Amino acid sequence: GENVEQHPSTLSVQEGDSAVIKCTYSDSASNYFPWYKQELGKGPQLIIDIRSNVGEKKDQRIAVTLNKTAKHFSLHITETQPEDSAVYFCAAASYNTDKLIFGTGTRLQVFP
Amino acid sequence: DAGVIQSPRHEVTEMGQEVTLRCKPISGHNSLFWYRQTMMRGLELLIYFNNNVPIDDSGMPEDRFSAKMPNASFSTLKIQPSEPRDSAVYFCASSLPDRSDTEAFFGQGTRLTVV
Repeated sequence: GENVEQHPSTLSVQEGDSAVIKCTYSDSASNYFPWYKQELGKGPQLIIDIRSNVGEKKDQRIAVTLNKTAKHFSLHITETQPEDSAVYFCAAASYNTDKLIFGTGTRLQVFP
Repeated sequence: DAGVIQSPRHEVTEMGQEVTLRCKPISGHNSLFWYRQTMMRGLELLIYFNNNVPIDDSGMPEDRFSAKMPNASFSTLKIQPSEPRDSAVYFCASSLPDRSDTEAFFGQGTRLTVV
């Protein structure tokens, strides 16, 4: 089955700096890669996703990149703000099955 | 739509007791997932249903755990008997997967403490 690894487990940055979180997956059949943000006391919420037919996708300060050959995908947050502080999860799924397998999460702290 | 609704939000129970967690998915969604979140293991998929049918329960830790989906608008996750190591936050999520969108919407979770 699919296995998703995520690094780093914690990340501290100064407000305005960039943050990068990286994930790798094992199942070459995976073709859908979402990123979720979880704030304290809440369930994870989708912030951006990418499919295997594109290599990069951007939404304002957030971007995701995908390298299918290497089975790597990354989340990039630019101009970080204190409200970006949360736990971020990557996930992978395929059209053959709609179940999402999550990485172990990255706790991001943005200091003012 | 109010989103995925889980109840209770918090549950404290004694070891050996039966615990039932409840979930109401978003209306129209045909896939439902139960996840368990702990500090050590992150978000683990326990079981998922499609059109009320269990598709993959390989993540269910042991026979003490069972899940049902009697209709499209309700699911339960039951632990009997409960043990302290079952303490975690349990999330339910639903989705309407198609070739353009597989977004899963999560509920607020049930924080279970077994003492």
